[in-house]
Amino acid sequence: EVQLVESGGVVVQPGGSLRLSCAASGFTFDDYIMHWFRQPPGKGLEWVSLITWDGGSTYYADSVRGRFTISRDNSKNSLYLQMNSLTTEDTAFYYCTKPAHYADYLPESWGQGTLVTVSS
Amino acid sequence: DIQMTQSPSSLSASVGDRVTISCRASQGISNSLAWFQQKPGKAPKLLIFAASNLHSGVPSRFSGSESGTDFTLTISSLQPEDVATYYCQKYNTVPPTFGQGTKVEVK
Repeated sequence: EVQLVESGGVVVQPGGSLRLSCAASGFTFDDYIMHWFRQPPGKGLEWVSLITWDGGSTYYADSVRGRFTISRDNSKNSLYLQMNSLTTEDTAFYYCTKPAHYADYLPESWGQGTLVTVSS
Repeated sequence: DIQMTQSPSSLSASVGDRVTISCRASQGISNSLAWFQQKPGKAPKLLIFAASNLHSGVPSRFSGSESGTDFTLTISSLQPEDVATYYCQKYNTVPPTFGQGTKVEVK
């Protein structure tokens, strides 16, 4: 059974930094692109970033490019999101997702999410 | 970027009613369209992929269809446990974008 467990969400001040982690199990982690999505409380879903299986390529939403960095450690079956220069607009639940084997950009499995609150 | 426009934003129907939700892509996306169900306080769950294919374990009262750049999610007989927000998502290219969501309530 696929399991994705996010951690690291806390309350942080505007301008601050945070690193989210996602522990993956139940599948061959380094066979898959991995994604981060986010959802502000009470609002819709937004794709944030993806990283290829070997970490060689990364992509970002315009809203986070230059501030967020996605990375992975395949030896630890772990995905990360380094978040810098945070603003109140970054307040959201952050989800780690695994795509379907037949579609790299289709988030088939989701973690439970971790809440990042940016507030003074 | 391709935009996904979903309608209505909310609806209320009775148990047993047929419910339809629409999603329109601003450009062609072939059949790379998925539907998700999100219940309060939970992560989204995949219902349908490739416009009309039911994901494993999803009840057969859910179905999807496509016509060009217009896509539809149908719940043939609404059940109390279907109360949720439903999102369409296109996944043919980056960024994989979502519609705004449709909140479904039971009268």
